[in-house]
This record gives sequence, structure tokens and C-alpha cells, in this order.
Amino acid sequence: DQQVKQNSPSLSVQEGRISILNCDYTNSMFDYFLWYKKYPAEGPTFLISISSIKDKNEDGRFTVFLNKSAKHLSLHIVPSQPGDSAVYFCAAHNQGGKLIFGQGTELSVKP
Amino acid sequence: SQTIHQWPATLVQPVGSPLSLECTVEGTSNPNLYWYRQAAGRGLQLLFYSVGIGQISSEVPQNLSASRPQDRQFILSSKKLLLSDSGFYLCASSWGANTEAFFGQGTRLTVV
Repeated sequence: DQQVKQNSPSLSVQEGRISILNCDYTNSMFDYFLWYKKYPAEGPTFLISISSIKDKNEDGRFTVFLNKSAKHLSLHIVPSQPGDSAVYFCAAHNQGGKLIFGQGTELSVKP
Repeated sequence: SQTIHQWPATLVQPVGSPLSLECTVEGTSNPNLYWYRQAAGRGLQLLFYSVGIGQISSEVPQNLSASRPQDRQFILSSKKLLLSDSGFYLCASSWGANTEAFFGQGTRLTVV
């Protein structure tokens, strides 16, 4: 049972354009959502998060949007840079401490 | 922030041998601790999580077990490794439910 889903395994974007990464979840008990960036053979690094009481959180080039009714969140990167190329994971937390990750989306930003 | 120490970085073990991976955390007390596995080309699968000493929640029935003998120590074990246990194992720590988790650098386990 995949409770957090990233249906696009890969995304290719031109440098300077917007990257939009999507994530869906099924469990309404999740109340905190996070995005991580990961390079091969390394641990993921935290990017940005959002609480379920908000619908948007912005940090520099990164913005996360949450649509609770649709159980959907997205990460926008504007403008995209070649150094953003990596695998991006969304994750969801519940009050019991469980932290579930999606399958990841590999972003490639081309110069 | 927290610092997560994981070792070893790489490990090659024969089928049927035991396993013990250790994770220790600096910079916090009473953290939530997690073990994840990333199989080749796949996502991060939650294996175990712990909200306190001696409290372990298992997410996937499998050949592995976890223990938390001390507040900031989390151990992943197996009595007999299977080929399917190969993967990239990651330990993570967070201050609580609605905070970000910090990850260690991972252990690449190859079972041969």
C-alpha cells in the first residue's frame, strides 16, 4: 500500500524554466509534508516543508503547495538551475511519528 | 541541527551471515529514529521507526529487526541475510512528528 505516491519517475526541464514536481497521498492522518533532494550514494537532504494548516510555503526558489481536499502537494523550483538535477522525494508525517516517502522523481535540468 | 553517524559505508556479506548496522545521533535528545532501505532504482522504504527507548514499530514483515538500546542509538540487525536484503540503508532522526528528519550518509549492503 503506497501511501505517498510520485507518479512521474523523471522530469526534464530547461535551465531558467520552472520545475514542477508532484506528489499525492492517501492517508488523511498525515499532517506535515516535506520535500527532500537526494544524490546517489548519499542521504537525502531536507529542502522545504509545509504543515497541513497551510496551503503554501516559500523559501527562495522553492515553493511547496498543498491541496488537502485533493490530497496533493507540489514543489515548484523557479528558476531551475543545472545544480538542481537530483532525485526529489516527497514525504509525509503523522502524529504517531511515522514518516513515509514517495518513490522519487529524477529531475534533470539542461543548460 | 542533528548529526547522524552511520557505519560502515559499504558492506559485502554472504547469504546466511548475520548483520548489525549501527546508527548514533548527536545534537538532540529523545529523537524519533528511523531505518529506511532504498533498493536499486526504487524509493525509500520505511523499515522501522522508534519514538523512544525500547519502542520499535515495524513497517514491513521481513528478515530484519531493530533495537534502540540507548536514547540516541538505533541498530538494524538480521540473523541470516538473504540476497533480497541488498540495498542502501539509511538511518534518520527527527525532533518529533512535525519536524524535518536528518539523514546519515547510508550503508551500501551487498549480499552475495
